[in-house]
Amino acid sequence: KQEVTQIPAALSVPEGENLVLNCSFTDSAIYNLQWFRQDPGKGLTSLLLIQSSQREQTSGRLNASLDKSSGRSTLYIAASQPGDSATYLCAVFRSNDYKLSFGAGTTVTVRA
Amino acid sequence: DVKVTQSSRYLVKRTGEKVFLECVQDMDHENMFWYRQDPGLGLRLIYFSYDVKMKEKGDIPEGYSVSREKKERFSLILESASTNQTSMYLCASSSFPRGSSYNEQFFGPGTRLTVL
Repeated sequence: KQEVTQIPAALSVPEGENLVLNCSFTDSAIYNLQWFRQDPGKGLTSLLLIQSSQREQTSGRLNASLDKSSGRSTLYIAASQPGDSATYLCAVFRSNDYKLSFGAGTTVTVRA
Repeated sequence: DVKVTQSSRYLVKRTGEKVFLECVQDMDHENMFWYRQDPGLGLRLIYFSYDVKMKEKGDIPEGYSVSREKKERFSLILESASTNQTSMYLCASSSFPRGSSYNEQFFGPGTRLTVL
């Protein structure tokens, strides 16, 4: 059974600091890994999707890496802003049954 | 932009009531999904559908059923609501065939259901 873990559960940083969010998964049989952002009481917004054959993806201040063999992904957010405050979720797309497994998320607070 | 809408943002129901949650997507996506989200547990897949009138159980289907009569609409049904079904319910859709490796999912705003 695929287990996805995100550590830490919560993070508070001053504005301008770089953010590093971690995601680990137990089964390397995945097609891709997706990072989402969720604002309080809202749905999920897709940030980045990394195919299993890729090592990283970048979008603006966001960069996500994937090491499938070790079961890890990292989301980097450069020069954090208060508007980056949200919960960040990672999800792996299981290749055995075509379903997503989600981590519980990391809640980020960026202090002005 | 993909738009996934859900019929209600907040819903309060009583134990034993039949509850319908509706989801509509406007991008002609083949696949649609229902998840529930609970603190500390993350999102868990209840049911999904990869075609009209097709459905498959997710990881936690007990106590739920679904209906997909039209491609754009996917309904989640709680036949007899119970207090342990109080949760945030999220609908999602994706465009690629079920066996495709590229399966980016797009989510609706969620329905927060409270069962009293």
